[in-house]
Amino acid sequence: EPEVTQTPSHQVTQMGQEVILRCVPISNHLYFYWYRQILGQKVEFLVSFYNNEISEKSEIFDDQFSVERPDGSNFTLKIRSTKLEDSAMYFCASNPNRANTEAFFGQGTRLTVV
Amino acid sequence: AQTVTQSQPEMSVQEAETVTLSCTYDTSESDYYLFWYKQPPSRQMILVIRQEAYKQQNATENRFSVNFQKAAKSFSLKISDSQLGDAAMYFCAYRSAGSGGSNYKLTFGKGTLLTVNP
Repeated sequence: EPEVTQTPSHQVTQMGQEVILRCVPISNHLYFYWYRQILGQKVEFLVSFYNNEISEKSEIFDDQFSVERPDGSNFTLKIRSTKLEDSAMYFCASNPNRANTEAFFGQGTRLTVV
Repeated sequence: AQTVTQSQPEMSVQEAETVTLSCTYDTSESDYYLFWYKQPPSRQMILVIRQEAYKQQNATENRFSVNFQKAAKSFSLKISDSQLGDAAMYFCAYRSAGSGGSNYKLTFGKGTLLTVNP
C-alpha cells in the first residue's frame, strides 16, 4: 500500500541552525501539508501546498519557515534558524485530489532543538 | 474559523468493554468532513474513521462507529470490544468540503488519551 515517507525519523539540531525535513508524498497526490505537534499538545496546521505554491499558511508559519517541492517527488520543510520552541513532531500529509477527503500522514519527524 | 473540542483529556476502559469518546465542533459551513485519528506511542497518525456531513448514516468500521449529530455539532467515537491495541491518543478532526486546496487542511481537537485495562 502506498505511503507517505518522512526522513529523518529524529533530528537533533543546535539552536540557530538550519534544518530541512523531508517528505515523499504518495506519487499521484496533488495536495501537500505540514503539521506540527508540540509534545503533549494538539496537532496544528502549518502550511498547505498545491500546484507548486503555498495555498495557505498558518500564523505559526513565519519567515523562518519555507517549503518547496524541488524535484516533483520530495516535499521539504526548511526552518532557517531553529529556536528551542521549534522542538516538536512534524508531520507531512497529502491528498490525491479535491474529491478525496482522506489525508494520508507520514510517520513524522521528531525535531529536537538543543 | 472552525474549532474542535474534545472535553475528555483521558478515558479508560476495561478490555472487551465499550467506550465512547466525545467531540464537538463549531462551524458555519453546511458541508464538511469529520475524522477520528489514532496516535499510538509511535506517534504515527492513523485514520480510524471518517464521516461526510451530507450523509445521515453513521459511519462504521469494524469495532469503531460514530454517532454524528449534525444539528448538535457532535461527533462521538464508540469503540466496541476494546482491545489492548486500542490504547492510544485519539484526535477528532474537521475538514471543510470547500473548493481549493487550502480548504483541505485539518483542524484537530486536543485529543483524548485512551487507556485499556486488561
